[in-house]
Amino acid sequence: DGGITQSPKYLFRKEGQNVTLSCEQNLNHDAMYWYRQDPGQGLRLIYYSQIVNDFQKGDIAEGYSVSREKKESFPLTVTSAQKNPTAFYLCASSPDRGRAFFGQGTRLTVV
Amino acid sequence: SQKIEQNSEALNIQEGKTATLTCNYTNYSPAYLQWYRQDPGRGPVFLLLIRENEKEKRKERLKVTFDTTLKQSLFHITASQPADSATYLCALDIMNTGFQKLVFGTGTRLLVSP
Repeated sequence: DGGITQSPKYLFRKEGQNVTLSCEQNLNHDAMYWYRQDPGQGLRLIYYSQIVNDFQKGDIAEGYSVSREKKESFPLTVTSAQKNPTAFYLCASSPDRGRAFFGQGTRLTVV
Repeated sequence: SQKIEQNSEALNIQEGKTATLTCNYTNYSPAYLQWYRQDPGRGPVFLLLIRENEKEKRKERLKVTFDTTLKQSLFHITASQPADSATYLCALDIMNTGFQKLVFGTGTRLLVSP
């Protein structure tokens, strides 16, 4: 079954902790994206990657880090430097200049 | 500054009517414009893509127009149904320093009442 998988669906983080959100795709897409969505808001771009071992900052990269060691995987780490991390995080992949396929999202809550 | 604006107020219409949603952008030159549907708690789902050299695209009850002079796209759902109730997002496909990125508007919530 082809698709894009995010895990976990729900994640709780204590103050000062780093957490990593997983994103895996088996669609053979080159491009992958991470977005953040706050209640009632649109999607804001955190990081994006076009090829393995390369990625670019989006509009709100501060407090986040990513890696792209494999084409299939694009994990996002929310660091302790991110002061307001509670949000819905969405990962997407796309072929070159085409439609994006989204995962089901990870809801992160700071406790 | 660069902006993608969609009506933040919910659009309420009656079943059977045509819903029209607007996407305006400034200081972008997108090659493509896309529309997505998002249901609560779920990831967006792709609906339509229109290229900068296309004026109109249709798919079943959906129609998208793209005016690069006005920097505006209109998204129409004809014969709307309660099942069409969702948030609709427009997205611009942008080339930035040689890299493609996809940027989204804030979305408009559509409510179709029976």
